[in-house]
Amino acid sequence: EAGVAQSPRYKIIEKRQSVAFWCNPISGHATLYWYQQILGQGPKLLIQFQNNGVVDDSQLPKDRFSAERLKGVDSTLKIQPAKLEDSAVYLCAWGSGNTIYFGEGSWLTVV
Amino acid sequence: AQSVTQLDSQVPVFEEAPVELRCNYSSSVSVYLFWYVQYPNQGLQLLLKYLSGSTLVKGINGFEAEFNKSQTSFHLRKPSVHISDTAEYFCAVRHQAGTALIFGKGTTLSVSS
Repeated sequence: EAGVAQSPRYKIIEKRQSVAFWCNPISGHATLYWYQQILGQGPKLLIQFQNNGVVDDSQLPKDRFSAERLKGVDSTLKIQPAKLEDSAVYLCAWGSGNTIYFGEGSWLTVV
Repeated sequence: AQSVTQLDSQVPVFEEAPVELRCNYSSSVSVYLFWYVQYPNQGLQLLLKYLSGSTLVKGINGFEAEFNKSQTSFHLRKPSVHISDTAEYFCAVRHQAGTALIFGKGTTLSVSS
């Protein structure tokens, strides 16, 4: 399976600053997900896209998090302003048939 | 709503010993079941999946899992582990294609010599 490219891989910011993560599916995938994985926990869905549209963003903290997927390809996830509890790995994933595959993740530390 | 419970947060074993990582799920509808592995500082890698058919599924790196509908379980097994199997293992469920995965909290497998 072709994967996704995520950047940056690692980011350290101070609380109240902003940060953006980028995900580029290497080959086109209609369904794209952003998950948040806090240390010691399983990944939690933040948002699911189907092409350009949002399918599920019920667990996205919309007061500080935003995400978009332009032209049904690349996606960005933004956090503004960041809080200490946002320290986590942000995983981009794509659906292929019945299976979901994950990128390498972007590690965020908020200090 | 679905949920996943991984019954052991940490499993320490010696090299070449067998191991079982336990996973129970709850759902009111039919589900697809998955195990993923996460090595340090890496993303999630698919180990194996159950979609339908045979209840015993084989995955990569010598792992297998058995779907038990009556017990709502999907336990992961390996007959002989290696040091390189040390990682975090996640059980996950989705109720149909196109929906998101719901994960358990993970089990840390630590293999020592």
